[in-house]
Formats: sequence, C-alpha cells, structure tokens
Amino acid sequence: ETGVTQSPTHLIKTRGQQVTLRCSSQSGHNTVSWYQQALGQGPQFIFQYYREEENGRGNFPPRFSGLQFPNYSSELNVNALELDDSALYLCASSLGQGVRGTPLHFGNGTRLTVT
Amino acid sequence: SQQGEEDPQALSIQEGENATMNCSYKTSINNLQWYRQNSGRGLVHLILIRSNEREKHSGRLRVTLDTSKKSSSLLITASRAADTASYFCATALIQGAQKLVFGQGTRLTINP
Repeated sequence: ETGVTQSPTHLIKTRGQQVTLRCSSQSGHNTVSWYQQALGQGPQFIFQYYREEENGRGNFPPRFSGLQFPNYSSELNVNALELDDSALYLCASSLGQGVRGTPLHFGNGTRLTVT
Repeated sequence: SQQGEEDPQALSIQEGENATMNCSYKTSINNLQWYRQNSGRGLVHLILIRSNEREKHSGRLRVTLDTSKKSSSLLITASRAADTASYFCATALIQGAQKLVFGQGTRLTINP
C-alpha cells in the first residue's frame, strides 16, 4: 500500500509569485483534502476534492485553487503569494467524501516559505 | 476561530508516566479524532470516537468523549520517549461534513 506523497518537500518563493504543490493520494483513496498549518498552529482546511470536483472549501481566498486528476492525485495552486502564506501545506487522502466515517491519511507536507 | 482547544498547550513528563490531554469544542459533532504529529511532518491518525460513544481504547491510548460538556480527553499510559510529539484533536461537524476542524495541539515531551 502506497501512502500519501507530496512534492516538493521544501520551497522558497518571493511575494507575488505563484506556486504549485503536488500530492499523490494513497492507493484506493478517491478523496483529497488540503490543509494549511502555520507554525505553532493546528491545520486549517483549505478545500477537498472528490471525483475531480471541489467538494467543500474553507475560509481561503480564490487565489487558492486546486485540481484533482482522474488518478485522484491533486494539485494546490496559490497565486499572488503573500508573506502570510508561509506555512506547511498538508495533503490528506481518504475513501469517500466527508470525514464522518474514515480517518484522513496525511502526507509529510510541503514547507513553503515566502520572502 | 478554532473549534477545538487543547489543554495543556505543553506537557513534559518522565518516561513511564501517564499523559493526559484535553480537548474542548464548541458546536455539535459527528465524530472527534485524535492525531499525532512529529516535528515538521505529517499527521498520523490515532483514534476516532463517534458522538454516540463515550470511551474507546487502542493499545496504550484511551479516549473519552463527553458530548454534554463538549470535551474529550486522550490518555497515553506508560509513556515512551517515542511518544514525544504534538497531539491534535479534530472534530467532524454535523454540518460541513467535508472538513476536520483542528485545535492548536498539545506539545508532549517525554523525558528519559
């Protein structure tokens, strides 16, 4: 069983630039969620994708967007980077939409630093 | 605003002792989950307890849920150095079933 993998592991960008983060879900999982974790804080929900459609979104501006592909892998895109976007970005996969019955399986994250 | 609040924010104990962490939340939930995070890495699911359950065990872990007080506790018995990590409670709300709402976590340090 292949776990959740994220790339890159670390990234440094300049304010105003754009970034794409990638996630491969655990085999057999059809749902991907993205979370942002600022230093010393708990993760905050960005959005979830189920069968290639956005299936819920947190309080993040439209410059945060995503995609899910037919193989259930996913991308998180952030435009017009701001300093406050510096954080650990976590991808989590699960089976079926929602979080009522199944736990999330997290990748090790991408550490994004915006300077 | 955070749904869950963990208490204490940091806990340091000796190896072999028991560690108890508490979590409070504000709105009705479908389930509550506990996760562990080693420094700078991803979260690992520990245990899920549903709103109609009061206690659950998994190995050295014991979780309780009191929906009337909107609180949960995680007990780790016979702690080990490898238990050093941050522990987060996360709630799955009745409304908005797509997301987990995490607290700020408890930083647990086990001293050898």
